[in-house]
Amino acid sequence: KQEVTQIPAALSVPEGENLVLNCSFTDSAIYNLQWFRQDPGKGLTSLLLIQSSQREQTSGRLNASLDKSSGRSTLYIAASQPGDSATYLCAVRGGFGNEKLTFGTGTRLTIIP
Amino acid sequence: NAGVTQTPKFRILKIGQSMTLQCTQDMNHNYMYWYRQDPGMGLKLIYYSVGAGITDKGEVPNGYNVSRSTTEDFPLRLELAAPSQTSVYFCASLAGPTSYTFGSGTRLTVV
Repeated sequence: KQEVTQIPAALSVPEGENLVLNCSFTDSAIYNLQWFRQDPGKGLTSLLLIQSSQREQTSGRLNASLDKSSGRSTLYIAASQPGDSATYLCAVRGGFGNEKLTFGTGTRLTIIP
Repeated sequence: NAGVTQTPKFRILKIGQSMTLQCTQDMNHNYMYWYRQDPGMGLKLIYYSVGAGITDKGEVPNGYNVSRSTTEDFPLRLELAAPSQTSVYFCASLAGPTSYTFGSGTRLTVV
């Protein structure tokens, strides 16, 4: 059974700092990994998706990496802003024939102005 | 607007009542999913469907039922609501290798 863990559960950093969020998963037979952002009381917004054959994806100030063999992914946020405050969730999609998405419990990020 | 639409946005049920959460997508996606999110937790898969007429259980299916008569609609049925079903419910759809699209959620309270 796939298990996804995100550490830390909460993180507070001053505005302008660079930061890294971590995600680990137990079964390396994944199809892809996706990072989402969730604002309080809202739905999920997709940030980055990394296919299993890729090592990283970038979008603006966000960079996600994937090391499938070690079961790890990181989300790097550069020059953090107060608007980045949200909960960040990672999720892995199973391998061929398994279209389920397994979520981590998220990291609640607070950027201090 | 293209996307996943969930109704209602909020609902309060009494213990033992039943209701259907509606989910509709207009992107012609084959795969659709129902998740629940308890406070401070990640999302857990309830049921999913890989196409019209095909459904399968996820991680936490007890107390729920689904149907998929069309590509667009994937309703989630709660029978005999219990306080443990108090949660936020998200519907999502997927097409091929692209990213998931989530609805805005239904916040359900069972009292």
